[in-house]
Amino acid sequence: AQKITQTQPGMFVQEKEAVTLDCTYDTSDPSYGLFWYKQPSSGEMIFLIYQGSYDQQNATEGRYSLNFQKARKSANLVISASQLGDSAMYFCAMREGNQAGTALIFGKGTTLSVSS
Amino acid sequence: NAGVTQTPKFRVLKTGQSMTLLCAQDMNHEYMYWYRQDPGMGLRLIHYSVGEGTTAKGEVPDGYNVSRLKKQNFLLGLESAAPSQTSVYFCASSPLFLAGKDEQFFGPGTRLTVL
Repeated sequence: AQKITQTQPGMFVQEKEAVTLDCTYDTSDPSYGLFWYKQPSSGEMIFLIYQGSYDQQNATEGRYSLNFQKARKSANLVISASQLGDSAMYFCAMREGNQAGTALIFGKGTTLSVSS
Repeated sequence: NAGVTQTPKFRVLKTGQSMTLLCAQDMNHEYMYWYRQDPGMGLRLIHYSVGEGTTAKGEVPDGYNVSRLKKQNFLLGLESAAPSQTSVYFCASSPLFLAGKDEQFFGPGTRLTVL
């Protein structure tokens, strides 16, 4: 079974609108971390936001917020007020356990296209 | 502070040739990783290292070898390249202790084509 599932291959949104990118995860470990990365067409991986499994509040970083629903095992990324520069591939990833150095497990990604 | 760098950025190989990809980080990070990214597959872990002189296999290790002789460098080797190893390779590093977000820092990637 996939550990990280991103069911939306592609999403389209207009500038200034909000968009939600879905991510569900599967783990039996009570301690884990969830990450979102952005990959623009230039190819680099850009860290966006992190949510720890014990964090009480949803993570926010500027226009990015993570809608963390632990019981449903979902960690959706919400981008508010989309900009043309947000067009990119977005990856959800998970670190299982609480040991530093554990590698990330990635989903297959969602391509976001923002139009004017 | 360059972060994580990768050499080369692009490479074309013929089947059966060998090559080494170099990853270097200047953040004194303990942990380093090699991932490959294929279309529609996301990133998958090839090998990783939890410290100088140590390496371990990830999800897709076959056909690759690695070495971590110095803390700042992590080398990925292909002894006999195959077309199935055509991919974009990313190196990443992370610090010793969990510090909240435990972010992994990625290099810019190496695009490898095997003909």
